[in-house]
Amino acid sequence: DTAVSQTPKYLVTQMGNDKSIKCEQNLGHDTMYWYKQDSKKFLKIMFSYNNKELIINETVPNRFSPKSPDKAHLNLHINSLELGDSAVYFCASSQGTGGAEQYFGPGTRLTVT
Amino acid sequence: GENVEQHPSTLSVQEGDSAVIKCTYSDSASNYFPWYKQELGKGPQLIIDIRSNVGEKKDQRIAVTLNKTAKHFSLHITETQPEDSAVYFCAASGGAGNKLTFGGGTRVLVKP
Repeated sequence: DTAVSQTPKYLVTQMGNDKSIKCEQNLGHDTMYWYKQDSKKFLKIMFSYNNKELIINETVPNRFSPKSPDKAHLNLHINSLELGDSAVYFCASSQGTGGAEQYFGPGTRLTVT
Repeated sequence: GENVEQHPSTLSVQEGDSAVIKCTYSDSASNYFPWYKQELGKGPQLIIDIRSNVGEKKDQRIAVTLNKTAKHFSLHITETQPEDSAVYFCAASGGAGNKLTFGGGTRVLVKP
């Protein structure tokens, strides 16, 4: 009965590769998010989708491309991976966008070598 | 944009004592202030939140206060227990899209 799930949990890859992280929520929420947590634990939003429409797009390299096939899924594709992309990526979801509680997934630890 | 500062960055307390974490925010339009607890290897978990029309909120051993005039809010944990050891994050939101801006986190260690 996992609320927000992500796959894979760990991802180790080489520079220059392309990889994807998948996120699914079974809470019936209409809004989903991607956050990046760096090595110093700092959490920063990357993207947000509401009803499959992109509503937040922070200053993120265009090598990162989110895709939302439906309201329950939000995937993150990363092209030409760089060392600096190493981080933990969290997916989250909420119902609505106005001060709504956000529920986080368990995270995907990406290591680029 | 919004900027959230959080202090202290680390906090060590004896079991049974209280712990206080303070945050300040910059955008007066922010109106939602959640607190998250992150245990090792897990995602952040919402533990309590407060909205701008409320000055204080309590949930068992946890309380949060908000001073909108001064633009700061605080988390208070009473009767700390070893399982309270974790990293705690404050955040602020108020703009379009429910964008959360997080503080830098506080690593809390409760010593038995």
